[in-house]
Amino acid sequence: SQQGEEDPQALSIQEGENATMNCSYKTSINNLQWYRQNSGRGLVHLILIRSNEREKHSGRLRVTLDTSKKSSSLLITASRAADTASYFCATYNTGNQFYFGTGTSLTVIP
Amino acid sequence: DAGITQSPRHKVTETGTPVTLRCHQTENHRYMYWYRQDPGHGLRLIHYSYGVKDTDKGEVSDGYSVSRSKTEDFLLTLESATSSQTSVYFCAISGRPGDTGELFFGEGSRLTVL
Repeated sequence: SQQGEEDPQALSIQEGENATMNCSYKTSINNLQWYRQNSGRGLVHLILIRSNEREKHSGRLRVTLDTSKKSSSLLITASRAADTASYFCATYNTGNQFYFGTGTSLTVIP
Repeated sequence: DAGITQSPRHKVTETGTPVTLRCHQTENHRYMYWYRQDPGHGLRLIHYSYGVKDTDKGEVSDGYSVSRSKTEDFLLTLESATSSQTSVYFCAISGRPGDTGELFFGEGSRLTVL
């Protein structure tokens, strides 16, 4: 399987705290993307980081990528109850395929 | 929101019956994908298409076939449904899945095979 893995599988934090989730993958990549999924909905793209980038920011999101370790992390700062969702990393390679991790379920307690 | 419509959104069927799920897009995107989502497995790629009549297998393609006769439609067929194919199926599209492309997802089709 080319699927990645994410940890933790589940994370529960208080509103205002930071949330960090990690993704490990198996193959070489062109880019890595993070998606969010609210319960019962489709996935929504959050941020993309290219293989030659090490860090990227978008609003309250910070993504890092370490290609030597085949890993990435997503940091959500100053979390809000509305951030409650599942978060998935996805890797893209030259085969036009996106492979997703197993996801982290984040609960932000008001 | 990207114009992606999946139908049906919910379906209950019996083992051995054929099932077709439809994905329709209004974005004129070249690439279309079918994924299944199961607890503990995340999303797994079933088949994808890189143009009309151009399709390829993903990592869990056994028991599934696809067709794309028009840019806007990508059909997923289960020739003889099995209980292991009970899942939520997502269609996704991408215009430029290369360096900067992203996937846009439909709302999902929940299939139950009894």
